[in-house]
Amino acid sequence: GQNIDQPTEMTATEGAIVQINCTYQTSGFNGLFWYQQHAGEAPTFLSYNVLDGLEEKGRFSSFLSRSKGYSYLLLKELQMKDSASYLCAAMDSNYQLIWGAGTKLIIKP
Amino acid sequence: GAVVSQHPSWVICKSGTSVKIECRSLDFQATTMFWYRQFPKQSLMLMATSNEGSKATYEQGVEKDKFLINHASLTLSTLTVTSAHPEDSSFYICSAPLPRQVSSGYTFGSGTRLTVV
Repeated sequence: GQNIDQPTEMTATEGAIVQINCTYQTSGFNGLFWYQQHAGEAPTFLSYNVLDGLEEKGRFSSFLSRSKGYSYLLLKELQMKDSASYLCAAMDSNYQLIWGAGTKLIIKP
Repeated sequence: GAVVSQHPSWVICKSGTSVKIECRSLDFQATTMFWYRQFPKQSLMLMATSNEGSKATYEQGVEKDKFLINHASLTLSTLTVTSAHPEDSSFYICSAPLPRQVSSGYTFGSGTRLTVV
């Protein structure tokens, strides 16, 4: 079956760095997405990886290892506004998104 | 940038009534629209995929007669929850793939919080 695993909740300190991991199993693979979702709002696109390696975009970076079925989202210089849920989603061979349950990130001052 | 406008943002209705949720793509044509439901602290659950000019494809366990989807034009898709019950109370979100390439991601509507009393 198809499955996405990510931690349920993480806590970090303002100004620090946090890494949110995601492992996936899908029927075929057409890329891995990371989305940010604040409570009561729709998700917003953060990143897309389809090749192995690290993609850096400002304070956020995303990494992919296709052979390991593994990705992580790295958030640097954490700000209070980064408190949100971070959703990992893998796209299967039919271009359907398989969603993880999300990781709730709590930022403490 | 490409935006999907979703209305209403929230709605409260009585059991047994129907509610229509609209999603309009602004500045781009959405040939495909995904409809999701999200319960508190849970992941997005795909309900159905609508394609302009054809019947929607429903996920297993989703009643097509209860959740009516219409995608009559390239810029408008609607979800109607018929004979709503309290267990239908949830956050409903539409999403469309952005044009040109997969790496552009998907854009989401702002969501509709439905409460059935």
